[in-house]
Amino acid sequence: GENVEQHPSTLSVQEGDSAVIKCTYSDSASNYFPWYKQELGKGPQLIIDIRSNVGEKKDQRIAVTLNKTAKHFSLHITETQPEDSAVYFCAARKGGGKLIFGQGTELSVKP
Amino acid sequence: SQTIHQWPATLVQPVGSPLSLECTVEGTSNPNLYWYRQAAGRGLQLLFYSVGIGQISSEVPQNLSASRPQDRQFILSSKKLLLSDSGFYLCAWHQQGGGTEAFFGQGTRLTVV
Repeated sequence: GENVEQHPSTLSVQEGDSAVIKCTYSDSASNYFPWYKQELGKGPQLIIDIRSNVGEKKDQRIAVTLNKTAKHFSLHITETQPEDSAVYFCAARKGGGKLIFGQGTELSVKP
Repeated sequence: SQTIHQWPATLVQPVGSPLSLECTVEGTSNPNLYWYRQAAGRGLQLLFYSVGIGQISSEVPQNLSASRPQDRQFILSSKKLLLSDSGFYLCAWHQQGGGTEAFFGQGTRLTVV
């Protein structure tokens, strides 16, 4: 089955800097890759997603890139703000199958 | 619009007691439903996955079970809780088919004492 590895597990940046979180997946048939943000004590919420027919997607300060050949995808947050501090999860899914998550990255943005 | 309800928000149960967590989805039909557990290490461990009424896939051997008695209702149960069952339990759903966003409930914080 699918396996998703996520790095780093913790990331600390200064406000205004960029943050990059990377994930790799094992099943080459996976075709949907969402990113979720989870604040303390709450359920994860989708922030951006990408499908396998696209190499990059951007939404304001957030972007995701996908390299299907290498089976990895990354989340890029520019101009980080303290409210970006949270735990971020990547995930992968094949067709209508199960959604498998990475281990999470705790992002801390220091003012 | 679609919404997902999960309750209770917090629960403290003694070891050996039964468990029942409920999740319901509104505004859609025939969703794929999930139960995840999140331990202190933050990772989201997939426990159960359902594509339809009575169709449950168990992902890891454990002390828990799941049922889907109705299309939009997903229940997580245990006959006898263990200390290791403590954690943050999350229900999620997405529409059938590929490339669709999954929505999470607000979670249940279970502490087994």
